[in-house]
Amino acid sequence: GAVVSQHPSRVICKSGTSVKIECRSLDFQATTMFWYRQFPKQSLMLMATSNEGSKATYEQGVEKDKFLINHASLTLSTLTVTSAHPEDSSFYICSAFRDSLGTDTQYFGPGTRLTVL
Amino acid sequence: GDSVTQMEGPVTLSEEAFLTINCTYTATGYPSLFWYVQYPGEGLQLLLKATKADDKGSNKGFEATYRKETTSFHLEKGSVQVSDSAVYFCALRTGGANSKLTFGKGITLSVRP
Repeated sequence: GAVVSQHPSRVICKSGTSVKIECRSLDFQATTMFWYRQFPKQSLMLMATSNEGSKATYEQGVEKDKFLINHASLTLSTLTVTSAHPEDSSFYICSAFRDSLGTDTQYFGPGTRLTVL
Repeated sequence: GDSVTQMEGPVTLSEEAFLTINCTYTATGYPSLFWYVQYPGEGLQLLLKATKADDKGSNKGFEATYRKETTSFHLEKGSVQVSDSAVYFCALRTGGANSKLTFGKGITLSVRP
């Protein structure tokens, strides 16, 4: 099956620093990747849609200058949380859409737990 | 806007018990409906889906029927196993295949031996 990885799985950082999270599709190409944020006991909330070679599309209320997304290749998208603060602590999950005929599925990464002190 | 409502959890069942997890939705347009499962330490995996009214999705003994008249997509399994312990998310999509998913809050299922 299709595999999506995320790195790191956990990160702890100091307030004011920036953190980069990588999302990779390991065995398929993905022109579209999605970034979600999940709060405890709550749903996954879509932050942005990342398209290879173009600017990401952000959901309403998500600061694009705060959450920088780069989708530089067909297998890699990165989310950078800039000047992180404790309220940015959360579980970040990416998914990748597999662009092969007959496949109608997003494949999810295992998530990254960010803790900002 | 689109939304998905799942029953409150967590749910704890004994092995071989019958499972029902309720899911209802509101959507503009004609959505596709999904159930995703997240096992401990792993990413979400597609469990089953249905793309039109009265379709029944099924996988691993789980099934759910797309009910347009009640805007529901309840998940059922006749006999749960300990290995079914996980978090279950109901979701919908109203755009094309590569458009975003709207998720419910998820519900934790624990199955005891």
